[in-house]
Amino acid sequence: DIVLTQAPLSVSVTPGESASISCRSSKSLLSSKGITSLYWYLQKPGKSPQLLIYRMSNLASGVPDRFSGSGSETDFTLKISKVETEDVGVYYCAQFLEYPYTFGAGTKLELK
Amino acid sequence: EVQLVESGGGLVKPGSSLKLSCVASGFTFSSYGMHWIRQAPKKGLEWIALIYYDSSNKYYADSVKGRFTISRDNSKNTLYLEMNSLRSEDTAMYYCANLGYWGQGVMVTVSS
Repeated sequence: DIVLTQAPLSVSVTPGESASISCRSSKSLLSSKGITSLYWYLQKPGKSPQLLIYRMSNLASGVPDRFSGSGSETDFTLKISKVETEDVGVYYCAQFLEYPYTFGAGTKLELK
Repeated sequence: EVQLVESGGGLVKPGSSLKLSCVASGFTFSSYGMHWIRQAPKKGLEWIALIYYDSSNKYYADSVKGRFTISRDNSKNTLYLEMNSLRSEDTAMYYCANLGYWGQGVMVTVSS
């Protein structure tokens, strides 16, 4: 199975500052079609997960452009510029390249 | 507006069976692969099953293979998860999703 390792597991950010979350894959997530199947989700407290970024760097519909995704074949970063109170929750990376699909352990973002 | 509404959860004894349903609206259900993803209490996300748009292929996590069956009825815009031989470790919130959108989840508790 592909293992996704997120870091840090917890981050505390002052509103208005930036935050970055790392996700490292045990295997390349680049498909033969040239698509990198790495997704980012945010699960706000008491809610179901919502899609932020798909295919490594594409912003999902309705997601503020404060969020951005980047990376290579195995190392990925979610960046949140100018963190707002509504950004609090747990961030998960996920791979949808190979079965079984897998998720990272999650990174909890809190405000200072 | 995309909506995914799960139902059918509850409290059951080990070894029992349960069938979850997920009614979709706001998108062309018959064109999308659909997933079941679960989250044990205070834990991370676990992908458990995928069914192609036309039911031609189904994939399962090892943890549920042989016990759970995913199916769909495109005429009813409905996704199903039949769960047999339930164990305490199956206790979780179960979400249906098309990766872009997730339902609100339905709780399954397996306890004697």
